[in-house]
Amino acid sequence: NAGVTQTPKFQVLKTGQSMTLQCAQDMNHEYMSWYRQDPGMGLRLIHYSVGAGITDQGEVPNGYNVSRSTTEDFPLRLLSAAPSQTSVYFCASSYGGRGAEAFFGQGTRLTVV
Amino acid sequence: EDKVVQSPLSLVVHEGDTVTLNCSYEVTNFRSLLWYKQEKKAPTFLFMLTSSGIEKKSGRLSSILDKKELFSILNITATQTGDSAVYLCAVTEETSGSRLTFGEGTQLTVNP
Repeated sequence: NAGVTQTPKFQVLKTGQSMTLQCAQDMNHEYMSWYRQDPGMGLRLIHYSVGAGITDQGEVPNGYNVSRSTTEDFPLRLLSAAPSQTSVYFCASSYGGRGAEAFFGQGTRLTVV
Repeated sequence: EDKVVQSPLSLVVHEGDTVTLNCSYEVTNFRSLLWYKQEKKAPTFLFMLTSSGIEKKSGRLSSILDKKELFSILNITATQTGDSAVYLCAVTEETSGSRLTFGEGTQLTVNP
């Protein structure tokens, strides 16, 4: 019973490098989203998707790209990493229906030096 | 813009104490309010409230929503060291699907 799986768990990048954070869910959820968590700021929404082929921006989308080619996968791409992107990243999924709670992955701790 | 404010931001208590965590919100078309517990890793779901005045209860944890006054409280009775965590409050809107807007969280520390 995997739920939401994120990889990698930890990553160190140099400024300017690019990388992709992977997220996969096996619950056939329509809705998937990416959040970043910084000290004292709770979780902030980066991008979200309401189904395969449909994505939209959240609260803090700059510097990140997403795509949703399948229901299961929702990768987050950092185009040119900056120190300000040092954070813990969480992927979440839910049924997308009325009042459905979100299930979270275990997080990726990213450090940009 | 939706806004969620939690208080206090941190709280230190002794085992056996009862604690009340607060969450106030400003949402254009409120749908639901959710409470999560976060210990080191991923947030885990506790409660979802959609109707005012109804108490949700699970063991020593309970929560109530006041849609008129736009707030919710999370109560934990007879606290244990295992209750130490960050408690997150989030809201969803009718028009934005399952998007969650989170508060900053309350760091609860329960000392033996």
